Amino acid sequence: DARVTQTPRDKVTEMGQEVTMRCQPILGHNTVFWYRQTMMQGLELLAYFRNRAPLDDSGMPKDRFSAEMPDATLATLKIQPSEPRDSAVYFCASGLVPNTEAFFGQGTRLTVV
Amino acid sequence: AQKITQTQPGMFVQEKEAVTLDCTYDTSDQSYGLFWYKQPSSGEMIFLIYQGSYDEQNATEGRYSLNFQKARKSANLVISASQLGDSAMYFCAMRENQGGGADGLTFGKGTHLIIQP
Repeated sequence: DARVTQTPRDKVTEMGQEVTMRCQPILGHNTVFWYRQTMMQGLELLAYFRNRAPLDDSGMPKDRFSAEMPDATLATLKIQPSEPRDSAVYFCASGLVPNTEAFFGQGTRLTVV
Repeated sequence: AQKITQTQPGMFVQEKEAVTLDCTYDTSDQSYGLFWYKQPSSGEMIFLIYQGSYDEQNATEGRYSLNFQKARKSANLVISASQLGDSAMYFCAMRENQGGGADGLTFGKGTHLIIQP
């Protein structure tokens, strides 16, 4: 059963530490998305890639967040330094856009204390 | 202005009844897509159904159907014969400018559906 895999599932870290979240998209999908979910803001698009090239990262705080796709099987989202307001669930999704749905991973629940 | 509006924060429905979850959207694009996702308490996001703006027929997937009224800019989700396992958060989402390079989804705030036995 093809699925998007995210690691870690849960992460608790101290303020100021670097956090790296990883995503393995579904094989053959050409587009990878990063979303963030919080109670206050709901689901927000942070960034996305098409054929590994970054297309839009306007939803991402540039000073501390970075997203990369070093190869077709791995996407990463890094926060450095992390802050308590970064606490959220971070979802990776992949798809064969533009005319199909995106499939989501199970998310990484990040808590910054 | 919000692009996706879900006016029902929560709903209680009796098992086996049909459920309609409301969604209205705002876009000036001609080509767009509308999506519904389910998020159970376990947290994953499960795709349910898709409707393209040029699709003339309402989309259906098993017990799910999308009541698409383009002139009213509404895309309500209908769940027939609800089951206890349908209890979850439901999100309506839109992709604007389909085919034009804008591929991310804009989500509504969600509706928390609880099915009662």
